[in-house]
Amino acid sequence: SQQGEEDPQALSIQEGENATMNCSYKTSINNLQWYRQNSGRGLVHLILIRSNEREKHSGRLRVTLDTSKKSSSLLITASRAADTASYFCATDARSSNTGKLIFGQGTTLQVKP
Amino acid sequence: DVKVTQSSRYLVKRTGEKVFLECVQDMDHENMFWYRQDPGLGLRLIYFSYDVKMKEKGDIPEGYSVSREKKERFSLILESASTNQTSMYLCASSPTGLFRGSGNQPQHFGDGTRLSIL
Repeated sequence: SQQGEEDPQALSIQEGENATMNCSYKTSINNLQWYRQNSGRGLVHLILIRSNEREKHSGRLRVTLDTSKKSSSLLITASRAADTASYFCATDARSSNTGKLIFGQGTTLQVKP
Repeated sequence: DVKVTQSSRYLVKRTGEKVFLECVQDMDHENMFWYRQDPGLGLRLIYFSYDVKMKEKGDIPEGYSVSREKKERFSLILESASTNQTSMYLCASSPTGLFRGSGNQPQHFGDGTRLSIL
């Protein structure tokens, strides 16, 4: 079954460094989304990239999509302690008309002050 | 801003009880979703709904049912709670995209209900 898989599972960096998280999936998609979850809270949508887009920016976030490799990356530049959270990618299946999203298991990011 | 409100942040129930988890959204979204989140398993879809009185099974519907009598409210029901249903439950909503049930739209999440079944 289609599933987003994030890599690494956990990442620890110093404030000011860049953080890169990767996501791989198995089947063709319409779009890929990234979400953030602070501890004990719900998920918050960060960015959506469509299958015909290769790169998208939002503030300190940069997302790339390589449909030939079925992979995406999320780059957070100049990280802050407040970026500490879990980050999830989510995909919908091009072959499906249900609109369901399949979430990966997430990358836990710790940014040390 | 879209607000998705889940009725309880924490809930403790006993085995065999019928449990109701309520979710309300204030943005007139057509689509609503119930997930459970467990360590090492990520988010798994239990049920979703495209419209009032409409529901479809997700990946793990066993032991659960749902109700959507009004557009803004989506209820998850544990018919007879069991200890393996102890989990974090997340509700989400999204507007309809280019086609019915389009996955092109971001989902908006509530803060979750941490349910413990004793």
